[in-house]
Amino acid sequence: DAGVTQSPTHLIKTRGQQVTLRCSPKSGHDTVSWYQQALGQGPQFIFQYYEEEERQRGNFPDRFSGHQFPNYSSELNVNALLLGDSALYLCASSLQAYNYGYTFGSGTRLTVV
Amino acid sequence: AQKVTQAQTEISVVEKEDVTLDCVYETRDTTYYLFWYKQPPSGELVFLIRRNSFDEQNEISGRYSWNFQKSTSSFNFTITASQVVDSAVYFCALSGSYGGATNKLIFGTGTLLAVQP
Repeated sequence: DAGVTQSPTHLIKTRGQQVTLRCSPKSGHDTVSWYQQALGQGPQFIFQYYEEEERQRGNFPDRFSGHQFPNYSSELNVNALLLGDSALYLCASSLQAYNYGYTFGSGTRLTVV
Repeated sequence: AQKVTQAQTEISVVEKEDVTLDCVYETRDTTYYLFWYKQPPSGELVFLIRRNSFDEQNEISGRYSWNFQKSTSSFNFTITASQVVDSAVYFCALSGSYGGATNKLIFGTGTLLAVQP
């Protein structure tokens, strides 16, 4: 039973560029959430997608956007990258109707230079 | 506002010692959920436990135990007879009542546990 899969695992981008990160949820899960984890910090909630719509959003600028596809997979897009966007980006999947919690992927390490 | 505080930044113990990781939370919700996750160097957050606000029973799972006390807004985690494989960053997290446990998680800053052989 595959867990949450994220790609790529590592990425280096230049300031001002745009980046797309991808996430495939655990089999049977229908909800995807994205978190940003800066070095030495706890993960910070970016947003959550369910039924292809953004359901909740954290305190992140509009440069951060996302999408969920009919197969429940999701993308996180970040425009106009800043050095401060360097972080581990974690995807978490869950089942909306099942009140149990999240399964996290191993993350994408984004470095902005 | 919701907040999770993990005051211990780093803890170092010798193998077979018991260790307790502290977690204090703040929330105005009457229904909420508390979690502990383990993050090894690989980066993946590994789920350890979920507790809802109406269940104050302590729980033991093998070498792990959790002490939930609403009166002090604490949800502490104890590892008995620690092992080198327990070395990781441990996060305490809180989610509100909206959407149940699939609501966003508010994480603490984590405690780095180093177990020396």
